[in-house]
Amino acid sequence: NAGVTQTPKFQVLKTGQSMTLQCAQDMNHNSMYWYRQDPGMGLRLIYYSASEGTTDKGEVPNGYNVSRLNKREFSLRLESAAPSQTSVYFCASSEVGGLETQYFGPGTRLLVL
Amino acid sequence: DQQVKQNSPSLSVQEGRISILNCDYTNSMFDYFLWYKKYPAEGPTFLISISSIKDKNEDGRFTVFLNKSAKHLSLHIVPSQPGDSAVYFCAAGTDSWGKLQFGAGTQVVVTP
Repeated sequence: NAGVTQTPKFQVLKTGQSMTLQCAQDMNHNSMYWYRQDPGMGLRLIYYSASEGTTDKGEVPNGYNVSRLNKREFSLRLESAAPSQTSVYFCASSEVGGLETQYFGPGTRLLVL
Repeated sequence: DQQVKQNSPSLSVQEGRISILNCDYTNSMFDYFLWYKKYPAEGPTFLISISSIKDKNEDGRFTVFLNKSAKHLSLHIVPSQPGDSAVYFCAAGTDSWGKLQFGAGTQVVVTP
């Protein structure tokens, strides 16, 4: 089992460019999450999907869109990247949603120039 | 508005000694608390949790203490080992909300 995988590992974008961060899990989990980690801020929830076919906003959704493509995959899209979106992005999944353990991917480091 | 705060960004401790990491929260509705550990270039991994009906939970070298009246929890690592050098995140949530709020993290360095 690979657990939670994320692609790419690292990306450099110019302001205004778009990109999609991919996330997949092979644990048959129902819930999936996207977080960003910034220095001094911890992990902040961008969007989450409680189950296939549903998505909801988290703390910091502005500038992002998500797609729960199927039970395995949850993608995060930046339509017009801004320097403020320079961050490390983590995808996570959990079995049912709620407060039990979330399993994290290795992260995508994004630099927006 | 950060509802979960880890006020010590870093902690240095000698191998074999106790590491104590602190976490404060402001939302009295939180009823479940977790600690995650993160190594560089990896995602966080779950370490230990505690629900609000308990005041202590132990797992091997790791013990979490919860003081609800003070809205404070702490993680004790005894004895500290070099492999414990990592960033530790405190997280909290409520069953009704179903999502977690994370603190900013504490970098622990265990020296020989």
